[in-house]
Amino acid sequence: DADVTQTPRNRITKTGKRIMLECSQTKGHDRMYWYRQDPGLGLRLIYYSFDVKDINKGEISDGYSVSRQAQAKFSLSLESAIPNQTALYFCATSDSGQASGRPQHFGDGTRLSIL
Amino acid sequence: AQTVTQSQPEMSVQEAETVTLSCTYDTSENNYYLFWYKQPPSRQMILVIRQEAYKQQNATENRFSVNFQKAAKSFSLKISDSQLGDTAMYFCAFMTTNFGNEKLTFGTGTRLTIIP
Repeated sequence: DADVTQTPRNRITKTGKRIMLECSQTKGHDRMYWYRQDPGLGLRLIYYSFDVKDINKGEISDGYSVSRQAQAKFSLSLESAIPNQTALYFCATSDSGQASGRPQHFGDGTRLSIL
Repeated sequence: AQTVTQSQPEMSVQEAETVTLSCTYDTSENNYYLFWYKQPPSRQMILVIRQEAYKQQNATENRFSVNFQKAAKSFSLKISDSQLGDTAMYFCAFMTTNFGNEKLTFGTGTRLTIIP
């Protein structure tokens, strides 16, 4: 089983719908992240959480919200989806540990299409 | 804010050849980390290699090695004896060492195709 699991893997929906993307991890990491990937733009950070009570906006948080339900679960919501939110979404985790620079581990992504 | 630039949107090379992917970055920090991630057609994001800025020795992982030039703010990835399975998007990424603010900033990627 994957260490970082994203559901659903693919989703097609309509403009105006509320969408929730879910992420769960079995790595025991305290830090979790949501990114979106667009062609030619790389990955951009939407939100991140360094522990259950910590939520921070990333580079492109407008139109999104998140919830850290437990150390292992971090969900991303689109309250009213719009077509320019069509993208590949990644969840990632990392371990703060005692040393900095820990690499992030990614889920397999959710491809979201908004019509 | 840090920026990461990958100036080669696409590259292709014959199988078994060596290829170098370029990456430059801009930061005012002295200590930081740099990463290369690989994204094959399966769309997974796979860590290839990690470099600590305060270490002068270039990181190596089997056929993958980096040329880290701190003064020039350059971090290129060399793939030796390229294989068909190396076909993927490659992303360079920067991470500050500022504890509590350790986020990844990615470049726009280089699409590498290995030709049989």
